[in-house]
Amino acid sequence: SQQGEEDPQALSIQEGENATMNCSYKTSINNLQWYRQNSGRGLVHLILIRSNEREKHSGRLRVTLDTSKKSSSLLITASRAADTASYFCAPMTTDSWGKLQFGAGTQVVVTP
Amino acid sequence: GAVVSQHPSWVICKSGTSVKIECRSLDFQATTMFWYRQFPKQSLMLMATSNEGSKATYEQGVEKDKFLINHASLTLSTLTVTSAHPEDSSFYICSAERYNQPQHFGDGTRLSIL
Repeated sequence: SQQGEEDPQALSIQEGENATMNCSYKTSINNLQWYRQNSGRGLVHLILIRSNEREKHSGRLRVTLDTSKKSSSLLITASRAADTASYFCAPMTTDSWGKLQFGAGTQVVVTP
Repeated sequence: GAVVSQHPSWVICKSGTSVKIECRSLDFQATTMFWYRQFPKQSLMLMATSNEGSKATYEQGVEKDKFLINHASLTLSTLTVTSAHPEDSSFYICSAERYNQPQHFGDGTRLSIL
């Protein structure tokens, strides 16, 4: 596995707005996963996108993957106060499915 | 959905005490369990990977004699912080994985050593 770098480090938006965060990585991947961590809790798996996919949706989440740029984005549409959390990406290489290495994450604050 | 239970959720103890944290996969058999540590306002750092019935694989810089991991069954892994000191105070999180599926995380254990 390798560590992804999330950008921006922090994001503050109003309820109803969209939130977009990006993830960059360095070497070829098998898939890329996004996780959410609410304050003081464990991580929750949000979505997995495989290297042969360009876009994936799950509810209000939309993830894109551009392997040529080695980057991914996570879009949360119509954000809610409950979306306040830190978001982490985890690029996975073919040689080690399980090991996750996390960057600093994007801390999202959604204000009612 | 898959549930991972971590216990205890909060521990405060004196310096020199050993503390055991349990991680259980409640509704599935986990091929692998992972232990992470997270300091305030920082990301999770992988400490070790454990497979049932075999020795844990520790990440570089993690002392295996300090952080004892026992993975006795496909649903239970324990992390024992031996002779804990204030610098071991942290948020410890476990996760469990079924073969080729995303990891499911426990809710973490906040360890405070006085």
